[in-house]
Amino acid sequence: AQTVTQSQPEMSVQEAETVTLSCTYDTSESNYYLFWYKQPPSRQMILVIRQEAYKQQNATENRFSVNFQKAAKSFSLKISDSQLGDTAMYFCAFGGTSGTYKYIFGTGTRLKVLA
Amino acid sequence: DTEVTQTPKHLVMGMTNKKSLKCEQHMGHRAMYWYKQKAKKPPELMFVYSYEKLSINESVPSRFSPECPNSSLLNLHLHALQPEDSALYLCASSQDLDTNEQFFGPGTRLTVL
Repeated sequence: AQTVTQSQPEMSVQEAETVTLSCTYDTSESNYYLFWYKQPPSRQMILVIRQEAYKQQNATENRFSVNFQKAAKSFSLKISDSQLGDTAMYFCAFGGTSGTYKYIFGTGTRLKVLA
Repeated sequence: DTEVTQTPKHLVMGMTNKKSLKCEQHMGHRAMYWYKQKAKKPPELMFVYSYEKLSINESVPSRFSPECPNSSLLNLHLHALQPEDSALYLCASSQDLDTNEQFFGPGTRLTVL
């Protein structure tokens, strides 16, 4: 069975600084997807970034980038130039391709950006 | 339109009430999902519909009854709920079950008195 672990329950970062959120996972599948979702206090889950396991290149979306280490089963999220609007709960999620049809979510990291 | 909408935003109900949550998407997605989320926890999958047919029921109590009247609409009928059912209920959709990218709605905050 797949598992997703986020070992940092809470983090804080100064505005304009860079922060990295960690995520590790376990799976026996060779092809899968990994996601970072952001859930601000407004509560909507927003997709931040997506990585396909067969792609070696790390995904990037503006200030957000990932460090995907497939052999180590690690998928960390780097937020550059942090903004107050980045304050949110961040969930790492695993999406398999072998017919399970469900996300496996990590427990989340609460990020607070300080002015 | 890249949006999943949910109504109502907030709902307070007694344990003997019957109510429904509604979810709508107009992205042409053929898979739709209901999640339950408790405070400071990740979402927990409840139901999955694919092409308007129930594909997955994660052993959810029968007091929750899902319905998919058409490909754009997903309902969750609530009856005889318990206070512990109070939570944020999230709807999501994806192009199909094989497409691993789900779009979430803003959720309905449910309080059961």
